[in-house]
Amino acid sequence: GENVEQHPSTLSVQEGDSAVIKCTYSDSASNYFPWYKQELGKRPQLIIDIRSNVGEKKDQRIAVTLNKTAKHFSLHITETQPEDSAVYFCAAGGLNDYKLSFGAGTTVTVRA
Amino acid sequence: KAGVTQTPRYLIKTRGQQVTLSCSPISGHRSVSWYQQTPGQGLQFLFEYFSETQRNKGNFPGRFSGRQFSNSRSEMNVSTLELGDSALYLCASSFWREPRTDTQYFGPGTRLTVL
Repeated sequence: GENVEQHPSTLSVQEGDSAVIKCTYSDSASNYFPWYKQELGKRPQLIIDIRSNVGEKKDQRIAVTLNKTAKHFSLHITETQPEDSAVYFCAAGGLNDYKLSFGAGTTVTVRA
Repeated sequence: KAGVTQTPRYLIKTRGQQVTLSCSPISGHRSVSWYQQTPGQGLQFLFEYFSETQRNKGNFPGRFSGRQFSNSRSEMNVSTLELGDSALYLCASSFWREPRTDTQYFGPGTRLTVL
């Protein structure tokens, strides 16, 4: 089955700096890669996703890049703000396995 | 549209008991997935249902089961509860347009505590 590894497990950044989280996956059949943000006590919320037919996608301060050859994808948050503090999960899914495999999560703390 | 809802939100059970959790997907969504979230294991896939059929199942023992009704609402059942079953159980729904994987929207979860 799919195995998703996520690094780092914790990340502390100064407000205004950038944050980068990296994930690798094992199944070359995976073609859908969402990122979820989970604040304490709340449900995971999709913040951005990318499919294998594109290499990069941006949405305001958030961007995701995908390297299918190397089987890794990354989340970039620019100009971080205190409200960006949360746990971020990457995930990978395939066309026909009808499930998402999640990374272990990255706890991001933005210091004011 | 109303979001994914789950009931109950909190549940306390004792070892050996069984429990049933319910999930109502976003209106029009036909796929419902269940995940178990624990601090040690993270988010782990339990199973996925589409049009009342289980299409995939994760690596959980047979004590974990589920079903989906014709209105797409889903239930999961855990029998003979163990202490290790204490977790946040999340369901997620998606529209699912074949063959493309669609966005999954999560419910608030059911916090199960087994004593």
